[in-house]
Amino acid sequence: GENVEQHPSTLSVQEGDSAVIKCTYSDSASNYFPWYKQELGKRPQLIIDIRSNVGEKKDQRIAVTLNKTAKHFSLHITETQPEDSAVYFCAPKDPGINKFYFGSGTKLNVKP
Amino acid sequence: DAGVTQSPTHLIKTRGQQVTLRCSPKSGHDTVSWYQQALGQGPQFIFQYYEEEERQRGNFPDRFSGHQFPNYSSELNVNALLLGDSALYLCASSWREETQYFGPGTRLLVL
Repeated sequence: GENVEQHPSTLSVQEGDSAVIKCTYSDSASNYFPWYKQELGKRPQLIIDIRSNVGEKKDQRIAVTLNKTAKHFSLHITETQPEDSAVYFCAPKDPGINKFYFGSGTKLNVKP
Repeated sequence: DAGVTQSPTHLIKTRGQQVTLRCSPKSGHDTVSWYQQALGQGPQFIFQYYEEEERQRGNFPDRFSGHQFPNYSSELNVNALLLGDSALYLCASSWREETQYFGPGTRLLVL
């Protein structure tokens, strides 16, 4: 199966700073790359996704970039706010089936 | 438009017992996947159901089984519970191979 790694495992930033989380994957045929946000005790929620035919996608303060050659994609959060504090998971999709391999998560702490 | 729902929200069982968890997919979705999320870890894929059949399975023993009904809802059954089965069990629904949306989960504690 897909080998997925996230870095860093924890990230602490000051409110207003930017945060970047990187996800590397092993299956070069992966074609869909979502990021999920999970607050304590709640369900994972999709915050942004990108498909393999696109290099970058932006939605207000959140962006995702994809480097298929290097097999990694990154989550970028600008102007961070305390409510951005959560665990973020990348979950590249195994091609051909609807199976997602989740990374181990990055705990983001935004200090007021 | 109702999202993905799961029941029960919490459950306490003892070792050796059996448990059934339930999931209703988001309206318009026909595919249901189940995940196990241990504390501090990412969700691990258990299996997926489409057209009432198990289409794909993760690295989980046969003690984990499931079912999908004609209305696309699904059940996850775990037999002979072990302490290590304590986790948050998440259901995710999608339409075919499109984006998955998660339910709130069932938190299972095995004593």
